[in-house]
Amino acid sequence: QVQLVQSGAEVKKPGASVRVSCKASGYTFNSYDITWVRQAPGQGLEWMGWISPYNGNTNSAPRLQGRVTMTTDTSTSTAYMDLRSLRSDDTAVYYCARFYLERRSSSYSYYYGMDVWGQGTTVTVSS
Amino acid sequence: EIVLTQSPGTMSLSPGERATLSCRTSQTISSSSLAWYQQKPGQAPRLLIHGASSRATGIPDRFSGSGSGTDFTLTISRLEPEDFAVYYCQQYGGSPLFTFGPGTKVDMK
Repeated sequence: QVQLVQSGAEVKKPGASVRVSCKASGYTFNSYDITWVRQAPGQGLEWMGWISPYNGNTNSAPRLQGRVTMTTDTSTSTAYMDLRSLRSDDTAVYYCARFYLERRSSSYSYYYGMDVWGQGTTVTVSS
Repeated sequence: EIVLTQSPGTMSLSPGERATLSCRTSQTISSSSLAWYQQKPGQAPRLLIHGASSRATGIPDRFSGSGSGTDFTLTISRLEPEDFAVYYCQQYGGSPLFTFGPGTKVDMK
């Protein structure tokens, strides 16, 4: 079945970096883009960034630019999210999700939503 | 920057009742760029609606979406016990590229 399986929980100290992995199975990895979303305790969903496994294009949320890097390894169908210079307010559950964007013309794309999600990875930043 | 506003923040309803959730965007967006998600405690979000009104695979027909421009609505025609959750709207294509609304919690009266 189609699934995204994420790496396990992490505990980090402020200033450190964390890498979260997201392994895809059950579909053609290059055919869907991957996005990363996080959720602080008791809070809503925050979009972090996306990457195209097909061509490696990325885009990240302005408030995270410079601290977040997204990559993929197509040989293992795995996406990675690296977050640097961790702060206490980076404590959250981190999700990967796939989405499909159908480019129907040069100026119009249809967005099919984030239809498959990983189980989430808890990252705790504490001294 | 496109900002999404959801109302109400919380709604208390009983099973069998109708729920109407609102999502307003700060700028006009294409209907093809609006999605709705359901999230239960301890779980990842679940896609309900894409293109403002198209149900995702496996979503019951008691869930429906509508709207255009800056005003969008998610309707649950008759609440089932498993529908009590938090619902988020989301847009694609603006700046930033993706934005989520703050969520509407539907809890049991």
